[in-house]
Amino acid sequence: GAVVSQHPSWVICKSGTSVKIECRSLDFQATTMFWYRQFPKQSLMLMATSNEGSKATYEQGVEKDKFLINHASLTLSTLTVTSAHPEDSSFYICSAQGQLYEQYFGPGTRLTVT
Amino acid sequence: QKEVEQNSGPLSVPEGAIASLNCTYSDRGSQSFFWYRQYSGKSPELIMFIYSNGDKEDGRFTAQLNKASQYVSLLIRDSQPSDSATYLCAVYSNYQLIWGAGTKLIIKP
Repeated sequence: GAVVSQHPSWVICKSGTSVKIECRSLDFQATTMFWYRQFPKQSLMLMATSNEGSKATYEQGVEKDKFLINHASLTLSTLTVTSAHPEDSSFYICSAQGQLYEQYFGPGTRLTVT
Repeated sequence: QKEVEQNSGPLSVPEGAIASLNCTYSDRGSQSFFWYRQYSGKSPELIMFIYSNGDKEDGRFTAQLNKASQYVSLLIRDSQPSDSATYLCAVYSNYQLIWGAGTKLIIKP
């Protein structure tokens, strides 16, 4: 299967600071990427759909000014959590869409805001 | 609202037996169907996908699709303790992937 990487795998930051998470598709070009958040023992929650060269589409209830998404190339999408607060602590996972609409997931980034 | 339903479990299966996971979906126009495995604390991993009615086999895994009854299932033969995980069903419908909440599978040695 296709390989998607994420960096960093975990990060601890102080409340009020910003954190950038990178998602890369290593062996294929991904026009569409997705960002999810998952709290412990809960289901995946889609945050936004990112299309290369255009603005991301955010799901209802997700603040686009807080979660900035950039998809500047066919292999890289970034998620920046701005002015992070403890309630933003979660497991953030990106995925890249394949040719048959399947999604390949990165390993995830565990964010802790203190 | 388009939905994908899964029994949350946990589903407990003895080692070596067949584990059967089921998923139903509401949109008859759904085109593609996927099974993912997610270990605790890890991200989901694509196991299988199926598009046509019938069975599709890959090693110990068999996906079954019945569009008339709107269900898709995943069979795991010769279950191993390492198969213990949450299994997510996803359905591609109307330009989006709709996720089930997942079934927790426990394989007992």
